[in-house]
Amino acid sequence: QVQLVESGGGVVQPGGSVRLSCVVSGFTFTSYGLHWVRQAPGKGLEWVAFSPHVGSNKYHADTVEGRITISRDNARNTMYLQMYGLRVEDSAVYYCVRRGDNSGWNDFDYWGQGTLVTVSS
Amino acid sequence: QSVLTQPPSASGAPGQRVSISCSGGSSNVKGNYVYWFQQFPGTAPKLLIYANSQRPSGVPDRFSGSKSGTSASLAISGLRSEDEADYYCATWDDSLNGWVIGGGTKLIVL
Repeated sequence: QVQLVESGGGVVQPGGSVRLSCVVSGFTFTSYGLHWVRQAPGKGLEWVAFSPHVGSNKYHADTVEGRITISRDNARNTMYLQMYGLRVEDSAVYYCVRRGDNSGWNDFDYWGQGTLVTVSS
Repeated sequence: QSVLTQPPSASGAPGQRVSISCSGGSSNVKGNYVYWFQQFPGTAPKLLIYANSQRPSGVPDRFSGSKSGTSASLAISGLRSEDEADYYCATWDDSLNGWVIGGGTKLIVL
């Protein structure tokens, strides 16, 4: 079955960096785009970034402009989100989410369980 | 402050029908597919509606989505206590060149 498993969260100091991983199984990694969506404690969902299944056109929210790198390792079925210059407001559960098809007809169809990043001194 | 506006809360009695709105604009809702997610406390969100009105396999037909112009709606009929959850709408925004998610609506079953 389709699974997305995030890891890499933890406590990070302001200004620090973190690399989150999303390991997928149950589907062909190279055929699907993947999102990162985050949720601050007690708050709503916020879309963060998107990595397409192919090509270099990645997308990200203005709130993380210039502070993230998204990459994929096809051999490991893994997507990474590297975040730099972390701020207190980046504290959130980060979810990895699959794009169901490349036309956008079916999107956000499978979610991981999330990994918590806490930015605090 | 999201570009998609949802009411903070909605409520209804068991068996009733409740509707949750998602108001956007010409750069997002009007020309793009809308998705709806359901989230229970402490758990990951789940896709409820995709492409404005399509239900993934396993989602009861009590849940329905619609879109008209710059607004979308999620309707839940035959309300049950287990429907009490947070609901979010999402879509692509042509101006922001990214996806946007509404602020969420907490559904209370009275």
